[in-house]
Order: sequence, then C-alpha cells, then structure tokens
Amino acid sequence: DSGVTQTPKHLITATGQRVTLRCSPRSGDLSVYWYQQSLDQGLQFLIQYYNGEERAKGNILERFSAQQFPDLHSELNLSSLELGDSALYFCASQREGGGTQYFGPGTRLLVL
Amino acid sequence: AQTVTQSQPEMSVQEAETVTLSCTYDTSESDYYLFWYKQPPSRQMILVIRQEAYKQQNATENRFSVNFQKAAKSFSLKISDSQLGDAAMYFCAYRSNPYSGGSNYKLTFGKGTLLTVNP
Repeated sequence: DSGVTQTPKHLITATGQRVTLRCSPRSGDLSVYWYQQSLDQGLQFLIQYYNGEERAKGNILERFSAQQFPDLHSELNLSSLELGDSALYFCASQREGGGTQYFGPGTRLLVL
Repeated sequence: AQTVTQSQPEMSVQEAETVTLSCTYDTSESDYYLFWYKQPPSRQMILVIRQEAYKQQNATENRFSVNFQKAAKSFSLKISDSQLGDAAMYFCAYRSNPYSGGSNYKLTFGKGTLLTVNP
C-alpha cells in the first residue's frame, strides 16, 4: 500500500458526460501528479499541483482540468468525454524536491 | 525534451534464473533521477528501485539491482533469483533533479517491458 488513495476504482460513463476523479496524497506530501495510461499513448503526464497551486502541465486536453484543495487532496475533472478518453488515470504524490513519486491504485475509466 | 526507450517489449525468464531488462534515455541534463516501476496485473504502479545520477554506485534492493552507465545513458535492471511474483510490466522512468536547476518534475516513462516468469 503506497498510502495514496484514489476514488472511484472504476467508472463507466457515456460520451459527452463529465466525471470527477479524486486523489488523496500520502500524509505530508505536498505535490500531486496526474498521469494517464492508455494502450496507444502509454503513461503520460497530465498535470502537477504543489500545495494548492498548479506547477506544471503536460499533454492535458482543454476538456480536462484539475485542482488541489487546502487539505491537499486533488480532483481531476474530465468533461465532454470521448471514447478515446477511456484509460487508467493515476495520481502520484511526492514530498519536496527530489522525493520519489508514489502512485495510487488508479481509476479505470471506460467511456461507452 | 527527455525520452526513455525500452527496446524489449517482452522478456521471459525461468524461475530462479536471472534476467536483465534494458533501458536507454536521452537528456542534456547532468543531474537527474532514474526509476524502475513494476506494474503487475493489478495495474498498481510499484517502485522497484531508484538511482540518482550523481551517485556512481549502482543501486540495489534485495534481488533487484541496476547497471547505470551515465556516459552511455543506459539504465538496465537485473532481477536475480526470479520469482513467479516478479511477472509484471516493468517501466523505466526519468525525472529531472529540481535541486540542480531542473524545471521538469514529471516522470517520463518508457513503453514498458512485459516480463513472464516460467515455473
């Protein structure tokens, strides 16, 4: 158990819908990273938050957004969902600077 | 931008034998971190081992060790005494070192190597 939690574990929804994925980092970790794992794109970095502020953005679509709350949990919002958004979404948390990123169990999203 | 290449999509090993998974990377930075993560069928991403580029000594964690060749930009993972529980997808990953001025804190992953362990 990495200490990072993600809910829900599985999500099935329809095209055009909006979903919210939640992540709680390990105690004491200020940074949260979101990654998408799909068959064709592999593991890709989406976005990073540090202590409530956006720090870095990767190949995140405009339909996707995220935020980190004062209690440090983070949410990834995916809207106007398309079939191609079906993937495994991970969050990872990290302490300051050179720390290792520890991954949550992931949320498996299926868009029908 | 940094890239990570894993040239072996699949590997197999007999139980109790040794196997080496290859990884090469491209970067212009001099200080960074390299990781191996394991993803078993449960899909959980589990850290296997970590190497800091400024350390010349190769990292070791029990049956797992790395061969870090900085000049060649190579970072291979050796699994000794392979066990059935080692069967998984293995990902090599790169990350800049923020203490050395790196500005990119994300992990950049290779495409992975699927390891099968035969009894």
